Amino acid sequence: EPEVTQTPSHQVTQMGQEVILRCVPISNHLYFYWYRQILGQKVEFLVSFYNNEISEKSEIFDDQFSVERPDGSNFTLKIRSTKLEDSAMYFCASSEGILAGGLADTQYFGPGTRLTVL
Amino acid sequence: GESVGLHLPTLSVQEGDNSIINCAYSNSASDYFIWYKQESGKGPQFIIDIRSNMDKRQGQRVTVLLNKTVKHLSLQIAATQPGDSAVYFCAENGVTSGTYKYIFGTGTRLKVLA
Repeated sequence: EPEVTQTPSHQVTQMGQEVILRCVPISNHLYFYWYRQILGQKVEFLVSFYNNEISEKSEIFDDQFSVERPDGSNFTLKIRSTKLEDSAMYFCASSEGILAGGLADTQYFGPGTRLTVL
Repeated sequence: GESVGLHLPTLSVQEGDNSIINCAYSNSASDYFIWYKQESGKGPQFIIDIRSNMDKRQGQRVTVLLNKTVKHLSLQIAATQPGDSAVYFCAENGVTSGTYKYIFGTGTRLKVLA
């Protein structure tokens, strides 16, 4: 069964450093998403990406964040200068598309990358 | 109100009993609802979904009920098994101006007692 994969599973970094979190969405999916989950809290939407551009982003997704699809398979989230409060689980998700009538399609999540900022 | 997560509502059920997990959603215009299961250290795993034009949908051992009048969603798990122990989140699709982001609920921890 196809699944979303993410690397690394755990990333430890110093405050102020740049990190890149990597995702390989399900191969025939066209919509890609990043969410984050601070320890024990709700899963929060960060950004959605379609056709090589951001389609929507949340207030969390400020200028320190960027996303890229550098090739046909990878989807990355970059945090330019990490802060302590960026410590969280980051989940990538993908969906096949948007259904007829503009209805949302199911998003499938990867296992997550745990980011620890020291 | 906002949950701090460490104090997730917890439902404890005996193995073999049925479980009912509830969720109140926020947006009356949402048209798509999903239940996810999250085991410790893992990502949300899709369980079942329902569109707003339905009020009930059944899967294998799971049933989702939607009450749009009171903006309430429930997940019923039949014959609960130890492997069902996890945190369960409902998510709604925020259908506003073509957005497709999911808005997640606080979560409920399900503990299955042997």
